[in-house]
Amino acid sequence: DTEVTQTPKHLVMGMTNKKSLKCEQHMGHRAMYWYKQKAKKPPELMFVYSYEKLSINESVPSRFSPECPNSSLLNLHLHALQPEDSALYLCASSQVTGNTEAFFGQGTRLTVV
Amino acid sequence: AQSVTQLDSQVPVFEEAPVELRCNYSSSVSVYLFWYVQYPNQGLQLLLKYLSGSTLVKGINGFEAEFNKSQTSFHLRKPSVHISDTAEYFCAVKTSYDKVIFGPGTSLSVIP
Repeated sequence: DTEVTQTPKHLVMGMTNKKSLKCEQHMGHRAMYWYKQKAKKPPELMFVYSYEKLSINESVPSRFSPECPNSSLLNLHLHALQPEDSALYLCASSQVTGNTEAFFGQGTRLTVV
Repeated sequence: AQSVTQLDSQVPVFEEAPVELRCNYSSSVSVYLFWYVQYPNQGLQLLLKYLSGSTLVKGINGFEAEFNKSQTSFHLRKPSVHISDTAEYFCAVKTSYDKVIFGPGTSLSVIP
């Protein structure tokens, strides 16, 4: 199984809503990532978890709150988002050692209204 | 800090013609290099990777890339493209700190 599964595939939320994006992998990877991708742009790194601990936060606003409840799951909690936060949110996982590739999910298309 | 440059934002090419997508990187530490492809409204799929060893690496769908340390390049090539190769291509570097950094992307358009 080389899949990274993201749910939901599409999400529309209001600026006062609270929602969560979910990501799951069963490849035994201990590094998991959240990326944000705007149209016609490359993915931008948001967070990295290594062994279920937050290792990198790329100065992401606090309205995005990541959580890694176990080695297979990664969540991104959303609260009080702005319309400019609308984007494709990609989850990825990899082995912790540097010389391995990251596997990406299909993403969640988020629209903030 | 690491960075990735893809000089060509758009590359149009006729079907069955060869193509090269250029990628250059800068890094003060050892890096691992990747090419990913993204089809419309989808996630990223790994095309190929350079981790160590032979500088010529072969990937899926007939793509190959050559790592050139002296020129800090990792150009992607395919001898004969198909319509189905139309997509966005991203070069990426990964450091031992687990950061995967992407270049700006090259939009490949294959013309029938």
